[in-house]
Amino acid sequence: TQLLEQSPQFLSIQEGENLTVYCNSSSVFSSLQWYRQEPGEGPVLLVTVVTGGEVKKLKRLTFQFGDARKDSSLHITAAQTGDTGLYLCAGAESNYQLIWGAGTKLIIKP
Amino acid sequence: ETGVTQSPTHLIKTRGQQVTLRCSSQSGHNTVSWYQQALGQGPQFIFQYYREEENGRGNFPPRFSGLQFPNYSSELNVNALELDDSALYLCASSLSGGRASDTQYFGPGTRLTVL
Repeated sequence: TQLLEQSPQFLSIQEGENLTVYCNSSSVFSSLQWYRQEPGEGPVLLVTVVTGGEVKKLKRLTFQFGDARKDSSLHITAAQTGDTGLYLCAGAESNYQLIWGAGTKLIIKP
Repeated sequence: ETGVTQSPTHLIKTRGQQVTLRCSSQSGHNTVSWYQQALGQGPQFIFQYYREEENGRGNFPPRFSGLQFPNYSSELNVNALELDDSALYLCASSLSGGRASDTQYFGPGTRLTVL
């Protein structure tokens, strides 16, 4: 069974700072997705990366898929309080099944 | 366009009981996936239904079962509840046969507590 490890588990920073969170596996995924989940809600898809080395930007968020398609990172520039949430990565193990990390809980303090 | 809805929002049951959770998929979506999310963990895939047939299953015992109806809404049934079944149960709908790389739209979940 493939596993996805996310780090750090918890991160609390001041508004305006930059941060990077990581998603690592020893296995190769055909694609990888990043989600954000807020309390009492389901996860919301932020991005899907498919190609090794791919970089995608979503406003202040930059997502990178590792060259070997085993790892990914999410970088947030000038964090805002609205970025607070649980960030989850999920890799495609088969045609239909996603393997999920345990998430990074991010708190942005005003 | 109506999003994914789930009912009930919260549920408390005792060990050994049975529970049915319901999910209405987003309009036009023919695929529903169910996930279990324990506190402090990421979601774990239970199974997926595509056009009323089970399309794939994760590592969950047979007491977890499901149905998908002609309108693509879905039910998750859990028999003989155990304490470890306490979790947030999420359903997600998608459009095109449920490939893992497709965009899935999640409902808000049902919080199940087993005492």
